[in-house]
Amino acid sequence: KAGVTQTPRYLIKTRGQQVTLSCSPISGHRSVSWYQQTPGQGLQFLFEYFSETQRNKGNFPGRFSGRQFSNSRSEMNVSTLELGDSALYLCASSVAANTGELFFGEGSRLTVL
Amino acid sequence: AQSVTQLDSQVPVFEEAPVELRCNYSSSVSVYLFWYVQYPNQGLQLLLKYLSGSTLVKGINGFEAEFNKSQTSFHLRKPSVHISDTAEYFCAVSDLKAAGNKLTFGGGTRVLVKP
Repeated sequence: KAGVTQTPRYLIKTRGQQVTLSCSPISGHRSVSWYQQTPGQGLQFLFEYFSETQRNKGNFPGRFSGRQFSNSRSEMNVSTLELGDSALYLCASSVAANTGELFFGEGSRLTVL
Repeated sequence: AQSVTQLDSQVPVFEEAPVELRCNYSSSVSVYLFWYVQYPNQGLQLLLKYLSGSTLVKGINGFEAEFNKSQTSFHLRKPSVHISDTAEYFCAVSDLKAAGNKLTFGGGTRVLVKP
């Protein structure tokens, strides 16, 4: 069974640009969550989608957005990039609601110059 | 709201020695508790979880953790570590009654196993 796949794995952007990250969950998983990981702030929850609906949202500005498609694949978008957005963005999928048992991808490492 | 504190940011340990990673949490509601491991350049992997029942939870790779409600702790232990256990370990909680899979993570503990 294929794991969670995130693309791209690495990318470099400049301030003011926007970026879209993609996540393909494990087959059959309907919940997809996104986390930002930085050395200073650690792992922070961005949002969670379940059956194309945003179910939870973390404390991030509106520049961070996401969506989920009917096949459970998810994308997140960050507009007007800032230097502080440099981070590892992790996607995780889960088969059911409120199990906390998340299966993580290897992440997309974003560098903002 | 919940918060998780991992008391040690780094733990050096010799191979075949025991290790304990400390985790304390704060929450106004009942929670589920988890330990995840992150190997270098990889995503996180679930080690073990406490949902209910026995307070001693066994996970993968020989790890176990004990839930202590009165001390709001969930410490992780392994009696004998291997070089391959070198990684970062994260304690996490989620609201037992909330919909969804939103986890609050601690700051992580880096374990360095020395030969």
